[in-house]
Amino acid sequence: ETGVTQSPTHLIKTRGQQVTLRCSSQSGHNTVSWYQQALGQGPQFIFQYYREEENGRGNFPPRFSGLQFPNYSSELNVNALELDDSALYLCASSFQAGNTIYFGEGSWLTVV
Amino acid sequence: AQKVTQAQTEISVVEKEDVTLDCVYETRDTTYYLFWYKQPPSGELVFLIRRNSFDEQNEISGRYSWNFQKSTSSFNFTITASQVVDSAVYFCALSEGEFGNEKLTFGTGTRLTIIP
Repeated sequence: ETGVTQSPTHLIKTRGQQVTLRCSSQSGHNTVSWYQQALGQGPQFIFQYYREEENGRGNFPPRFSGLQFPNYSSELNVNALELDDSALYLCASSFQAGNTIYFGEGSWLTVV
Repeated sequence: AQKVTQAQTEISVVEKEDVTLDCVYETRDTTYYLFWYKQPPSGELVFLIRRNSFDEQNEISGRYSWNFQKSTSSFNFTITASQVVDSAVYFCALSEGEFGNEKLTFGTGTRLTIIP
């Protein structure tokens, strides 16, 4: 039990639609990161938020966007969904001071 | 650029055997952190260990042990007396920077199957 919860756990969307994934961080963790994990691959870094500001971004197009709220919960939004967006989306939280990074169970997104 | 290589795609061993998972990393930073995570079929990444670049001491936690060698840029993970519950995909990851919670670069993972 990591204290990081994600919703929804599974969802199916149609190509071209938009999706919002949510993450509730472990209490006191002010840093949240999102990762995309395609089938059979390692997780790929999408972006990180620290105290509500974007603090680094991976090689993902602008249609991937995010938010972090004052309570440090977070959202990942993906617009204009493509078939290749089908993946497990993982949220990770940590307290920025060299502590451990904890992951949630992820949201399985299928785009048809 | 940072990179993590896990050359072993799949490993199968019989229960109670020892098994070592290899991890080789590349980084230009002198300060960095290395991680191992376990991913069962449910998908959650379970934290196993975090080690900074200045601490080369090997670590043992129960049946798990880690061998960090900066000279060969390796951070290998050994499970002693393996059990069926150890079956999972294991990921090695690298984070550059002083805090160790910045972007994680993952390897492609090693799928470990323990045969009863």
